[in-house]
Amino acid sequence: KNEVEQSPQNLTAQEGEFITINCSYSVGISALHWLQQHPGGGIVSLFMLSSGKKKHGRLIATINIQEKHSSLHITASHPRDSAVYICAVSQYGGATNKLIFGTGTLLAVQP
Amino acid sequence: DSGVTQTPKHLITATGQRVTLRCSPRSGDLSVYWYQQSLDQGLQFLIQYYNGEERAKGNILERFSAQQFPDLHSELNLSSLELGDSALYFCASSPQSDYGYTFGSGTRLTVV
Repeated sequence: KNEVEQSPQNLTAQEGEFITINCSYSVGISALHWLQQHPGGGIVSLFMLSSGKKKHGRLIATINIQEKHSSLHITASHPRDSAVYICAVSQYGGATNKLIFGTGTLLAVQP
Repeated sequence: DSGVTQTPKHLITATGQRVTLRCSPRSGDLSVYWYQQSLDQGLQFLIQYYNGEERAKGNILERFSAQQFPDLHSELNLSSLELGDSALYFCASSPQSDYGYTFGSGTRLTVV
């Protein structure tokens, strides 16, 4: 079982829809990251969370530390939101903040 | 521009060859991480350097090595290349003070 699980793996939405991507993890963490990667492109850090909720534009990320669960929400989705969204965690303790990644959610927003 | 610079962006080379990937971290960041993204394995941690010293090692092959120089730029050396080494190699940097990450745009390595 992977230490970081994402669902769904693939998601197709119509423009304007509200989208939720889920992430569950099984290790103690110091932070959780949501990353975006366009096809063939680089990785952009969207959010870093250690508790609560963050909002940036149409994107909202929440985390529940007790349940070891995080969600990424996209409101009023747009075709330009089409990308792979990756959940990653920095494991608590130790000397490194290396990331452990989920397998990603491929989002396609159709006009 | 994220502030993390990776060169080259694309690299095509033959099996058995050796290549060097370069990363300049965001100004002020002391940690550099190298990650490999392949179709079958996803994103995997290779190695981390902090202020010139190796901090952590992940699934890095013995054919691969890295270093971080006094100016904090880092190089990832891949030798005796195999077809399976074809992947996207990302560098990321983070400051000492928190867990924030900034990724470079990656180097796409194709081994033919």
